[in-house]
Amino acid sequence: AQTVTQSQPEMSVQEAETVTLSCTYDTSESDYYLFWYKQPPSRQMILVIRQEAYKQQNATENRFSVNFQKAAKSFSLKISDSQLGDAAMYFCAYKTSYDKVIFGPGTSLSVIP
Amino acid sequence: DVKVTQSSRYLVKRTGEKVFLECVQDMDHENMFWYRQDPGLGLRLIYFSYDVKMKEKGDIPEGYSVSREKKERFSLILESASTNQTSMYLCASSSGGGQGNTEAFFGQGTRLTVV
Repeated sequence: AQTVTQSQPEMSVQEAETVTLSCTYDTSESDYYLFWYKQPPSRQMILVIRQEAYKQQNATENRFSVNFQKAAKSFSLKISDSQLGDAAMYFCAYKTSYDKVIFGPGTSLSVIP
Repeated sequence: DVKVTQSSRYLVKRTGEKVFLECVQDMDHENMFWYRQDPGLGLRLIYFSYDVKMKEKGDIPEGYSVSREKKERFSLILESASTNQTSMYLCASSSGGGQGNTEAFFGQGTRLTVV
């Protein structure tokens, strides 16, 4: 069975600095998709970024980028120029070839003014 | 805008009650999910439905059942609520049919307290 691990329960970053959130996963599939979701205090889950496993190029969305290492089964999220609105729970998610979505335990990110 | 709507934001029920959590999506999505969210455990999949009347157990199905009679509606049922089912429940939907890079869209969550 697939599993997703986030080894950092809590992280903090100074405003305008860069922070990296870690995610590793375990799978025997070769074709799958990876996502990072953000959950602010409002509880609404928001997609931050996605990555197709067959693409070697790392995905980027404005201040958010990933470092995808397929062989190492690692999928970290880098947030540049951190803003107060980035404070939230961040979840790494794995989507199987048959559409099942599995989440990690989450990382709580605090942004220090 | 895609919308996934959960029937209640907060719910308080008594031990032993039968509880229904309702979820409706308006994007004609094939897939629908029920997750339970607890601190330190992230989102754990309870049940997954990939089509009307089709369902698959997730990682923690014990004590729960689901119903999907119409494509847009996915209900989670607690047959006899217990205090260890006090939690946040999140419903999600996504398109299927091999569109793997599409994300899941979430409802606003139902915080259920069983007393």
